[in-house]
Amino acid sequence: DSGVTQTPKHLITATGQRVTLRCSPRSGDLSVYWYQQSLDQGLQFLIQYYNGEERAKGNILERFSAQQFPDLHSELNLSSLELGDSALYFCASSARGDPNTGELFFGEGSRLTVL
Amino acid sequence: QKEVEQDPGPLSVPEGAIVSLNCTYSNSAFQYFMWYRQYSRKGPELLMYTYSSGNKEDGRFTAQVDKSSKYISLFIRDSQPSDSATYLCAMRSSYKLIFGSGTRLLVRP
Repeated sequence: DSGVTQTPKHLITATGQRVTLRCSPRSGDLSVYWYQQSLDQGLQFLIQYYNGEERAKGNILERFSAQQFPDLHSELNLSSLELGDSALYFCASSARGDPNTGELFFGEGSRLTVL
Repeated sequence: QKEVEQDPGPLSVPEGAIVSLNCTYSNSAFQYFMWYRQYSRKGPELLMYTYSSGNKEDGRFTAQVDKSSKYISLFIRDSQPSDSATYLCAMRSSYKLIFGSGTRLLVRP
C-alpha cells in the first residue's frame, strides 16, 4: 500500500459528460501529480501541484482541470468527455516539490470508461 | 518522436533467465533515470534510480545508463515468476518525470 488513495476506482460515463477524480496523497507529502495511462500512449504526465500551487504542466487538455486544496488532497476534473478519454488516471505524491530522486508514490488509479 | 522510447514487448522468458530491458531517449538534458515496476491493476512503484552515466546494482537488479548513446537498461538476474510485471523507464526533466510506455515481462515457471 503506497498510502495514496484515489476514488472512484471505476467510473463509467457517457460522451459529453463531466467527472471528478479525487486523490489523497501520502501523509505529509506536499506534491501531487496526475498521470493518464492508456494502452497506446503509456503513462502521460498531466499536471503537478505543490502545496496548493500549480508547479508543472504536461499534456493536459483544455477540457481537463485540476486543483489542490488546503488539506493537500487534489481533484482532476474532466469535462466534455470523449471516447478517447477512456484510460487509467493515476495520482502520485512526493514529499518534495521536484521529483528529485524520481520517487513518486502512486495510487491504484481510477479507471474511466467513456461510452 | 517520443522523448522516451521503450519496446512494449511482451517479453517471455523461463524462470532463472537473465532479462534485459531497455529504453532510448532523445533529450540530452535528462540526468535522473529510474525504473518503475507495475503489477497488473496496480500503480507503478519505484524499483531503482540512477544519476547520470554508470551502473547501479541492487540485489538481482542492475540499472545501467549510457548517456553518450542515450540508452538505459535494466538487467534482472535469476528471474522469478514474481518478476512478471510491466517495467517502465522514467527520466527527469525539470519538474516532470517522463515515462516510457513500459515493457511487459512474463517469467514462466
